[in-house]
Amino acid sequence: QVQLVQSGAEVKKPGASVKVSCQTSGYSFTGYYIYWVRQAPGQGLEWMGRINPNGGTDYAQNFQGRVTMTRDTSISTAYMELSRLRSDDTAVYYCARGCDCSSNYLDPWGQGTLVTVSS
Amino acid sequence: EIVLTQSPATLSLSPGERATLSCRASQSVSSYLAWYQRKPGQAPRLLIYDASNRATGVPARFSGSGSGTDFTLTISSLEPEDFAVYYCQQRSSWPLTFGGGTKVELK
Repeated sequence: QVQLVQSGAEVKKPGASVKVSCQTSGYSFTGYYIYWVRQAPGQGLEWMGRINPNGGTDYAQNFQGRVTMTRDTSISTAYMELSRLRSDDTAVYYCARGCDCSSNYLDPWGQGTLVTVSS
Repeated sequence: EIVLTQSPATLSLSPGERATLSCRASQSVSSYLAWYQRKPGQAPRLLIYDASNRATGVPARFSGSGSGTDFTLTISSLEPEDFAVYYCQQRSSWPLTFGGGTKVELK
């Protein structure tokens, strides 16, 4: 079945960068978008961006200049790197595949990666 | 950006009762709205897409309705596994946005 398995929790200092991986299986990796969404403590879900089947990217304006989404098709894995971390970047980061239904809906999702930014 | 406002924030109900959740958009999203369920410690799961279409494997007790700016997710008879947080999401325009969530809790 379709699975997205994310890398483990990270603790980073302010100003550092973090790179979260999303290893996929059970489908043709190059046939679907991968989306990244985060949820800070007590906050709602926030869309960060997406990477398309050709490797092109769309980023939310809030993250422009700080986020980079890449992929390695040889191992069916997507990556999200966030730089110049701040304390308010502390959140659970999710990857998700575009659904088989309509574009820009997300299904399924990875299990989430907790990133803690603290000095 | 389109703001999605969900109400109520919390819904306290008993198993077997009907749950009605609302999502209101700051401008029309046509029918381009989805609903997700998230249980504690789990990733969100797509329930409804394009306002009224159930995703694969979603039980028939879940239904969605609405268009334009006002949408509803209805759970016809709550099962114990339905107590969770529910989010709406629009795909009408960039950026994709989510509502703040409605928690359905056990009364």
